[in-house]
Parts: sequence; structure tokens; C-alpha cells
Amino acid sequence: ELKVEQNPLFLSMQEGKNYTIYCNYSTTSDRLYWYRQDPGKSLESLFVLLSNGAVKQEGRLMASLDTKARLSTLHITAAVHDLSATYFCAVVPGNQFYFGTGTSLTVIP
Amino acid sequence: GAVVSQHPSRVICKSGTSVKIECRSLDFQATTMFWYRQFPKQSLMLMATSNEGSKATYEQGVEKDKFLINHASLTLSTLTVTSAHPEDSSFYICSAPKWAGSYEQYFGPGTRLTVT
Repeated sequence: ELKVEQNPLFLSMQEGKNYTIYCNYSTTSDRLYWYRQDPGKSLESLFVLLSNGAVKQEGRLMASLDTKARLSTLHITAAVHDLSATYFCAVVPGNQFYFGTGTSLTVIP
Repeated sequence: GAVVSQHPSRVICKSGTSVKIECRSLDFQATTMFWYRQFPKQSLMLMATSNEGSKATYEQGVEKDKFLINHASLTLSTLTVTSAHPEDSSFYICSAPKWAGSYEQYFGPGTRLTVT
């Protein structure tokens, strides 16, 4: 059974702090995606990681991929309230997306 | 602007009735579209792959007779929830590849279905 697990499931952090969200997956996948979802909304694409060792950064978010360990991380630097949302990783063995369990992030002043 | 649209964005229906949700690709053709279901505070679960001109492929555990998918044109896929029950209440999201064989997907804005 394919599993895509995120850790932690819930994260409450203070503004200005750093934290990392982890995404472990159980199958081979050449690429990994990170998405953001605001309440009641659809998905917003954040990153596409296409190879082992890939690292991408956008603003206060940085994502990395280790295909050998089947692990991706989403690092948050100096969190701000606007980053409060649910974050999903997704792997694509074949052409179908399998989403992680999600991490609900709340940034508090 | 949005490249994949869904209609309606919200729908409330009575138990036992059927409801149709449309997913349209705007300004591009999509031979394949995907339908997902998301229960509150849970992840997205792939329900089925919609293929233009052929039968949809359903994921294990998804009843094909209950969730009817029709992909009649290169820009439209429809999901009909037949004989809806309260447990079908969910957020339904469709997606389409940016182009055939593309790694990336455009996601629709979602449809909130509430069955009373």
C-alpha cells in the first residue's frame, strides 16, 4: 500500500521562528510536489522537485528532495502569519497524484 | 487567471437526489482529468481518472455506479453523484495536466457538496 506521510500533522509556531515539515513516502517517485491550501480553497502549487538533491526556495519557504531516502522537507524560515495554511506534499508514481496527510500550520504573533 | 474551472462552487442537495459537477479546462485541451475528494481536515484522495472518449478509471473502493464520470469533450469532464447521501458530503476537486504528458497539474477551485 502506497503511503505518503507528513510530520507533524499540526504545527503551531510563533512568528519569526523556523521549522521543518517532513514528507516520507513509500514508493518510488521521480518527482514530488508541495502545495498550500487555505481553508475552503483549492490547492496552490508551491514547488515541483524533479530530481534527487533538488532544492528550491521561494520567499520564506525552501523545499528539498532526497529520493534515496524517500524524503522531502519543507523548511519555513522566520514564519509570518500569512503562512498559516495546510501544506500537502504529493508524489506521482506513474501519472497519478498521491497526497500526503497534510500539515496544518498556524503561525501565532 | 484560473485555467481549470468547476461548477458549481457550492451545492446543497437532498438525500437521494443526484448532483452533477462540471470541470472545464480553459484555453487548453485535457484528454485526461482527475477527480479528488477531500473530507474536512483530511487529505485529497484520488477517486478516478477521467479519459476523453473512453471509460473512466476508478480507484479501489470508489463505486463507479455511484460516481458517474463523463469526459465527453477535450475541455469538459463531469462527475455525477447519484443517489447522494450525507456521507457523500465533501469537497470535490478536479485537476488536469498542463499539457499531455506534463508533470504539473492545474487544480480546479473545488466544489463543496452538502447532502442534507
